[in-house]
Amino acid sequence: QKEVEQNSGPLSVPEGAIASLNCTYSDRVSQSFFWYRQYSGKSPELIMSIYSNGDKEDGRFTAQLNKASQYVSLLIRDSQPSDSATYLCAGGGSQGNLIFGKGTKLSVKP
Amino acid sequence: ETGVTQTPRHLVMGMTNKKSLKCEQHLGHNAMYWYKQSAKKPLELMFVYNFKEQTENNSVPSRFSPECPNSSHLFLHLHTLQPEDSALYLCASSQVLENTGELFFGEGSRLTVL
Repeated sequence: QKEVEQNSGPLSVPEGAIASLNCTYSDRVSQSFFWYRQYSGKSPELIMSIYSNGDKEDGRFTAQLNKASQYVSLLIRDSQPSDSATYLCAGGGSQGNLIFGKGTKLSVKP
Repeated sequence: ETGVTQTPRHLVMGMTNKKSLKCEQHLGHNAMYWYKQSAKKPLELMFVYNFKEQTENNSVPSRFSPECPNSSHLFLHLHTLQPEDSALYLCASSQVLENTGELFFGEGSRLTVL
C-alpha cells in the first residue's frame, strides 16, 4: 500500500453542493494530517490540519479523521468555483517531514 | 519579505550546465525541505535539513546537491541534469516540535532541462 492514497479525480460538483475528498494512509504515516490546496501554477497552501479522531470545522471546511480505518476526509460545504483546485492530503513522516498523496482535482461548476 | 521565497522562479538549462536554486525563509523555522513535483506524481521529498543538519536524503541522485549554510537559507545545486529532472522544485520550511508541523511552501522554481 502506498503511504498516502487519494483518488486523483477529477471530482466535479455543482456550485453550492458539498464536495467530499478522501484519503487513506498506511501504518508508516504518523498521526498528524494536513489538507493543502494547490491552484494551477501555484504552490500548495495549508487549509486544514487535524491531529485527533473526529471532526474539525473551519468555516466551510470540515476535516474528519478515523484512525481505526486509517482514513482522512475533507468536506467543503457550499462549494464555490473558486474552490476549484487540486487538494493534497499529507501525513507526518518519520523526520518531521510530510508525505503527500497525488492530490484530487476538484472542479466546481457554476 | 515574508514567508518563503524562492529564486529563480523559472530556469531553463542544458544537460551540461551547472545552476543553483535558492530558498530563503523569514519565519524563524528550524527545518527546511526540498520537494520535487512532477506531473501526475505525489510531491516527492528530496532533502530535509533539521537544525541545519541533513537528516533525510531519500536516495536522490548525486546530480542534485543541497546546501544549508544557516537555518534561513537553503540551496539546491544542479549539474549534469537529465530531461526527466524537469519539474517544479518546491522549498518549504516548518517548525519541528513534538508533532509534525505544517509546511510553508515557497512559490517554486519551474525547471526545464533541454
